[in-house]
This record gives sequence, C-alpha cells and structure tokens, in this order.
Amino acid sequence: AQKITQTQPGMFVQEKEAVTLDCTYDTSDQSYGLFWYKQPSSGEMIFLIYQGSYDEQNATEGRYSLNFQKARKSANLVISASQLGDSAMYFCAMREQDSGTYKYIFGTGTRLKVLA
Amino acid sequence: GAGVSQSPSNKVTEKGKDVELRCDPISGHTALYWYRQRLGQGLEFLIYFQGNSAPDKSGLPSDRFSAERTGESVSTLTIQRTQQEDSAVYLCASSLSEGAPEAFFGQGTRLTVV
Repeated sequence: AQKITQTQPGMFVQEKEAVTLDCTYDTSDQSYGLFWYKQPSSGEMIFLIYQGSYDEQNATEGRYSLNFQKARKSANLVISASQLGDSAMYFCAMREQDSGTYKYIFGTGTRLKVLA
Repeated sequence: GAGVSQSPSNKVTEKGKDVELRCDPISGHTALYWYRQRLGQGLEFLIYFQGNSAPDKSGLPSDRFSAERTGESVSTLTIQRTQQEDSAVYLCASSLSEGAPEAFFGQGTRLTVV
C-alpha cells in the first residue's frame, strides 16, 4: 500500500489564484511529520513547510499553508496568490520513527504549471 | 560551505564498475541523508547519518550499496558492480539534527550506467 499518495500528476493554475495540491498518507504511528518540497526544473529540492502530527495548528509559511486533517490522514498544500515561479514539481513526504530511527517516504509528486 | 555540495555532478560509468559519490553537508549539520530519484519519479530514501552513525541501513537497495560518513562531515555513497537500474540522480541533504524539520539538498549527482 502506498504510504504517501499524491493523486494529481499535473495541475494548472492561473497566476494570482490559489491552488491546492492533495496529499494523503498512511501510518499507524502516533508521532510522525509531514513535509512538502518543491523541485523546480533545475532539479534542486527546496523545503517548503512542515507539520508535526501533534501540532494543533495548521502550518503556514508565507504563501504556503498545510491543510492538516488528521482524521482523514490528509496534508494538502495550499499555495495562495500563485506566481509564475511556483511552476515546479511538488512532493509530499512523511517521516516516521521506527525503532528509534527515522524513515522518510516521498510521494510521486504533482507537477504544477502556473499560467500567465 | 554555504550549501550542500555534491560531486561529481554527472557520472557516466560502465556496467560492472564501482562508483563513489561524495556529499559535503552544511557545516554544523549533524544529520545527513541520501536519496535516489529515478527519472520522473519521487525520491527513494536510502540512508541517513546522525553524526557518523547510520542507525538504519535497510533502505539501501542491495548489498552493492554502502555509505559512510567521517568527521561528522563528508559522506560517501559507494555503488559496487554498477547495474543499469542504478542509473538515477542521487541526492544528498543535511539538517541541523535528525529531528529538524528542514533539510537542505544538494544539486545531486546524475549517474548513468551504460
């Protein structure tokens, strides 16, 4: 079973509009972390936002916010006021702790294209 | 250095040869991670180091893969007897500690096995 599922292979959004990228996860751990990374065409991975499983407030970082719905096991990324530079691949990831060590699982990504 | 540095940036090798990929993390970062990204796919977690120790090596794809870290700094990922399926971008990242949420990635090493 997929531990991280990103169901949108590609998304389009008009410049200045908001967009939501979906991510669902599967874990039996109580303590875990959820991440979003951006990968532009240049290839580097850029950390965007983090949500801990015990955090009660949704994480926000500038134009990025994470819509964390624990019961639904979803961690959607919301980008407000999209910019052309937001065009990139976006990866959702989860960190689990197993026997005192961390394991990281990434989704397959969503390619976002911002239209002028 | 200012960021995570990986070398070489590109490597073409013949099937059956050994390769070494190097990662220089950000100074002071105690945690270091290796990932593999096949073309058009997400990241596959391989191994991480806290200090010079790797708590769990089970993510390494086969016994042809090994990694070490010395001086809580440079790390080397070694692939022995390379196979064509090893072709991928190998990404290294570092963070202040193993629990820190933000990891900084290098530009990766693109490995092509011919």
